[in-house]
Amino acid sequence: GEDVEQSLFLSVREGDSSVINCTYTDSSSTYLYWYKQEPGAGLQLLTYIFSNMDMKQDQRLTVLLNKKDKHLSLRIADTQTGDSAIYFCGSGGSYIPTFGRGTSLIVHP
Amino acid sequence: DGGITQSPKYLFRKEGQNVTLSCEQNLNHDAMYWYRQDPGQGLRLIYYSQIVNDFQKGDIAEGYSVSREKKESFPLTVTSAQKNPTAFYLCASSPGTGGEQYFGPGTRLTVT
Repeated sequence: GEDVEQSLFLSVREGDSSVINCTYTDSSSTYLYWYKQEPGAGLQLLTYIFSNMDMKQDQRLTVLLNKKDKHLSLRIADTQTGDSAIYFCGSGGSYIPTFGRGTSLIVHP
Repeated sequence: DGGITQSPKYLFRKEGQNVTLSCEQNLNHDAMYWYRQDPGQGLRLIYYSQIVNDFQKGDIAEGYSVSREKKESFPLTVTSAQKNPTAFYLCASSPGTGGEQYFGPGTRLTVT
């Protein structure tokens, strides 16, 4: 079945850029998503990219998609302590979206 | 103010008791989902429903049951057959196939 892989942890210094990576196997994915989960809360949709796009920018967030390698990344510019959370990559295209295990982003001063 | 709600936020039960978690949405979404989240495990799909009066098992349906009698509501019952029910449960809805999901705030269930 479909699979989405992410690294589990990322630690950055406040003000630096963060890059969270994701690989997926479902080549029929129409959309690829990034969600953010703060402690004790549900997931919040951050951004998404259509599979026919290479890049999408939304304020401090930049999503890059390499469809050939099935690789997705989320770059957060000027990372702040409020960005500390778990970030999930997800693929859609079939009815049941598939998620990675999430990357815990830790931002330290 | 559209959204998806779950109640209660925290739930405590004794082993052997069934418990029902509530999930309501006013987004007019056809599809609804239940996930279980354990530390370090990501999201695991329990059940999903594409339309009223229809639902399908996900990856870990054993020990759980659902109903979808109304478009807005998708309650999850954790039965006494579920061997390890203590977890964080998340409900989500989406407008349709492959669409983005909207999540509720979650219910943390503790069974002792």
